[in-house]
Amino acid sequence: DIQMTQSPASLSASLGETVTIECRASEDIYSNLAWYQQKPGNSPQLLIYDANSLADGVPSRFSGSGSGTQYSLKINSLQSEDVASYFCQQYNNYPPLTFGSGTKLEIK
Amino acid sequence: EVQLVESGGGLVQPGSSLKLSCVASGFTFSSYNMHWIRQAPKKGLEWIALIYYDSSNKYYADSVKGRFTISRDNSKNTLYLEMNSLRSEDTAMYYCAKQDYDWFAYWGQGTLVTVSS
Repeated sequence: DIQMTQSPASLSASLGETVTIECRASEDIYSNLAWYQQKPGNSPQLLIYDANSLADGVPSRFSGSGSGTQYSLKINSLQSEDVASYFCQQYNNYPPLTFGSGTKLEIK
Repeated sequence: EVQLVESGGGLVQPGSSLKLSCVASGFTFSSYNMHWIRQAPKKGLEWIALIYYDSSNKYYADSVKGRFTISRDNSKNTLYLEMNSLRSEDTAMYYCAKQDYDWFAYWGQGTLVTVSS
């Protein structure tokens, strides 16, 4: 099974700042990676697929990058509505599909 | 508009059974693979089961293999998860999700399963 190691577990940043969340796979996943945002009390929402493709309706301040085993989600100009947990998910080799452990983002 | 609506969750005792349902609308249900994904309280996401669009293949996480059964009724646009021998560690919000290529653009709102004596 492919293990996904996500960091940091929590993050506090100021409005307008840029934040980066990292995900490391236990083997090469060839950019077969998605990012999700989960606001408190809600279901996860797709942000990014194929490591760097923005899902429909997602603001352009969100971006994804990476290759091989190392991937990142960047949020530019942090907004109050970005307070959420963020999860990565690999789909290079499944089942099982595997998720990162999540990053909880708060506003400082 | 794609909608996935789960139901069937509740409070049950350890060792008991429960069957969850997920009613789909807004897309051709019979053309898509479907998944169950769960989230324990204050925890991350755990994929637990996949069923192909035609029920030809089913896959499970090791944590539920032999206890849970995924199924679907394409005539009713409904996905199911039958859960037996429930344990306290099965306590979670259970989501159904539609597979788009290999990611999930659509999730249900979830149904909460609590296993406790």
